[in-house]
Amino acid sequence: QKEVEQDPGPLSVPEGAIVSLNCTYSNSAFQYFMWYRQYSRKGPELLMYTYSSGNKEDGRFTAQVDKSSKYISLFIRDSQPSDSATYLCAMRSWGDYGGSQGNLIFGKGTKLSVKP
Amino acid sequence: DSGVTQTPKHLITATGQRVTLRCSPRSGDLSVYWYQQSLDQGLQFLIQYYNGEERAKGNILERFSAQQFPDLHSELNLSSLELGDSALYFCASSVGDRGPSPLHFGNGTRLTVT
Repeated sequence: QKEVEQDPGPLSVPEGAIVSLNCTYSNSAFQYFMWYRQYSRKGPELLMYTYSSGNKEDGRFTAQVDKSSKYISLFIRDSQPSDSATYLCAMRSWGDYGGSQGNLIFGKGTKLSVKP
Repeated sequence: DSGVTQTPKHLITATGQRVTLRCSPRSGDLSVYWYQQSLDQGLQFLIQYYNGEERAKGNILERFSAQQFPDLHSELNLSSLELGDSALYFCASSVGDRGPSPLHFGNGTRLTVT
């Protein structure tokens, strides 16, 4: 079982739709959860960062973490064509000194297309 | 703009050759990470440095090596290149070396091995 699972899509929605992106994970040591957006030929851009269960909102974006179910979500409200990109979830434990356990583990990304 | 600078943007080279990728972290960030991104494998962690010292190793091949210099910039050296090494190589930086520090990525170096 992979540490982080993410449906690769592609996901196509009409402009203005609510988008739900999800990841599941198996390592209960993960404490820090991030969502990155990656446009074609660009580096991943940090969108949201949270370290506790519950919701965190930033503009049109809401990140949700359920540690008991090992499940995280990103919701995009009023989606725009400019939101078309690949969305990567990533997570991290506190980490042991010198080990790779604390490094950021990524899902494979979900490709989103928002049609005008 | 994340503040992480990577050069060159593109690199085309032949099998068996050696290349060096360069990364300048965001101002104030002490930790540098290298990731490889290919279509089928996603983002794979290679290696991490913190303030000049190697902190963690991931799935980095023995043909690959890296270092972080006193001015905190980092270089990733890839040698005896194979066709399968063609990928996007990303550098990221963070303030701390673990846990709560989110990573900020550069725009990558696209390596093509022919």
